[in-house]
Amino acid sequence: AQSVTQPDIHITVSEGASLELRCNYSYGATPYLFWYVQSPGQGLQLLLKYFSGDTLVQGIKGFEAEFKRSQSSFNLRKPSVHWSDAAEYFCAVGPATDSWGKLQFGAGTQVVVTP
Amino acid sequence: EAGVVQSPRYKIIEKKQPVAFWCNPISGHNTLYWYRQNLGQGPELLIRYENEEAVDDSQLPKDRFSAERLKGVDSTLKIQPAELGDSAVYLCASSLRQGGYTFGSGTRLTVV
Repeated sequence: AQSVTQPDIHITVSEGASLELRCNYSYGATPYLFWYVQSPGQGLQLLLKYFSGDTLVQGIKGFEAEFKRSQSSFNLRKPSVHWSDAAEYFCAVGPATDSWGKLQFGAGTQVVVTP
Repeated sequence: EAGVVQSPRYKIIEKKQPVAFWCNPISGHNTLYWYRQNLGQGPELLIRYENEEAVDDSQLPKDRFSAERLKGVDSTLKIQPAELGDSAVYLCASSLRQGGYTFGSGTRLTVV
């Protein structure tokens, strides 16, 4: 069965500290991987995506993610968080074999940034 | 370019009443999706359109939900009658190519 697991429901981090959000997936085929961010009352904004090639992917807002096939993981990182990074973050997988396939999302990780 | 536009942003209705949501995708995007996001969860696909054709509606509760995408552009999602459990955020997204999803701001539905 296909699934996306974000083990941390809630993370609190100090402004300026580093952040890492975990994502593990179970997928029968080669997946495409995504990270989205959702601010309160807003839609989903794409942070970055991985299709193939270099397993370290750079995204917007200073985020990066690393694909580790052996661990079925796609963790999101940021070296120094800003107060504006407080939001909910979703990992998602899509089928590489179906160009227009649906995305399967994890349950999300809520990030709180303290002064 | 304009993003994916959804309306209304918020809707409060009594149970058993009908409700409709509207989505205008990005111009030229052939693929349109409706997702439902329950509180504290990630979005789940309800239906996917390729132009006017619904190519994946396996997750759409067809007894009360319906959707259409006339002329392959705008789309409406309808619930009739609404139930308490339908309270959620309904997100529309469109894409032109793999991974190019753009989401709208969503419609937050509250059924009382």
